[in-house]
Amino acid sequence: EDKVVQSPLSLVVHEGDTVTLNCSYEVTNFRSLLWYKQEKKAPTFLFMLTSSGIEKKSGRLSSILDKKELFSILNITATQTGDSAVYLCAVKHSNYQLIWGAGTKLIIKP
Amino acid sequence: GAVVSQHPSRVICKSGTSVKIECRSLDFQATTMFWYRQFPKKSLMLMATSNEGSKATYEQGVEKDKFLINHASLTLSTLTVTSAHPEDSSFYICSASVSGSYEQYFGPGTRLTVT
Repeated sequence: EDKVVQSPLSLVVHEGDTVTLNCSYEVTNFRSLLWYKQEKKAPTFLFMLTSSGIEKKSGRLSSILDKKELFSILNITATQTGDSAVYLCAVKHSNYQLIWGAGTKLIIKP
Repeated sequence: GAVVSQHPSRVICKSGTSVKIECRSLDFQATTMFWYRQFPKKSLMLMATSNEGSKATYEQGVEKDKFLINHASLTLSTLTVTSAHPEDSSFYICSASVSGSYEQYFGPGTRLTVT
């Protein structure tokens, strides 16, 4: 059965800390892995990863995929209170359906 | 636990016809269900929020007469795309949550192609 597991489920850190969020998967016919940030309404797209070992970066956020070990990490450096959110990982199957992780709830304390 | 399914997973319909997409929470009762549309750049747009037994709340710019949402039970919500046009072709995703919980559980999505 295809599944995506995110860890930790929740995390509380202080502003300025660096955090690493994990997403491991067991999905047949993997197409891509997506990271989203959910605060209020719709999840905001962060990254799409398809190739192993190539880091994607956007400001203080970066992500990398390991297709051999079947996981991805999302790093956030110099965290700010505005980074508080639920971070979702989803794997896109070759049939285009998405298999979602449960999310990591990140709380940044000032 | 907390599994959300969507049916169908893929559908192709002709322009002018209507198509219904189902979203089911399989092992929990979802007081609230959300419908999203995913755009080519992977962003998700919230279309509407539906609470069981109530009318759906649509986001600005979403035509309620075109995208009919019904949340008749605590485990089922449906999205009907009426008089579909090729520009309605998209990936539609639902999610479900339980009253009082921040967590949303997402469905696998439905790929709609209108020819």
